[in-house]
Amino acid sequence: AQTVTQSQPEMSVQEAETVTLSCTYDTSESDYYLFWYKQPPSRQMILVIRQEAYKQQNATENRFSVNFQKAAKSFSLKISDSQLGDAAMYFCAYRSGFGNEKLTFGTGTRLTIIP
Amino acid sequence: GAGVSQSPSNKVTEKGKDVELRCDPISGHTALYWYRQRLGQGLEFLIYFQGNSAPDKSGLPSDRFSAERTGESVSTLTIQRTQQEDSAVYLCASSRTSGALGETQYFGPGTRLLVL
Repeated sequence: AQTVTQSQPEMSVQEAETVTLSCTYDTSESDYYLFWYKQPPSRQMILVIRQEAYKQQNATENRFSVNFQKAAKSFSLKISDSQLGDAAMYFCAYRSGFGNEKLTFGTGTRLTIIP
Repeated sequence: GAGVSQSPSNKVTEKGKDVELRCDPISGHTALYWYRQRLGQGLEFLIYFQGNSAPDKSGLPSDRFSAERTGESVSTLTIQRTQQEDSAVYLCASSRTSGALGETQYFGPGTRLLVL
């Protein structure tokens, strides 16, 4: 079974600074997808960024980028120019490229933005 | 609709009562998922529907939990004889299709269930 580990329960960053959230995963599969979701107090899970395992290039979405290290099974999220609206719980998630489409989530990192 | 909707937003019930939670997926999305999020934890997969195929119920924690979906529309998650440990946020998600393309799942706002 796949597992996803987020070792940082809480992180804080000064507004306009850069922060990196860590995620590692364990799988024996070669085809899979990785996601970062953001969950603000409204509870709505919002997709931040996704990465296909077969792609070597790291995904980027505006101020959000990932560092995908397939051999190390690491998938960190970098947030540049942090904004107050980035404050939320961030979840890393894994999805197999085969069979059931379910997402396996980590336990989350609570990100606080310091004005 | 514009997004996944869920109702009710909050539900308080007494131990032993049955509850029904509703999910309306994004129009045209063939895949639908239910997840449970306990306080301070990540999401746990419960059940997955894909079109008219038999649902994957492998995540349901007990036989008190069941879910239905008619075609590619609304889904209902039912919890019978609720227990205090069922207190959680129940999240629904939908995606366009299954397959090797890794379609993104879009989540609803969840139903917060409190069992007294």
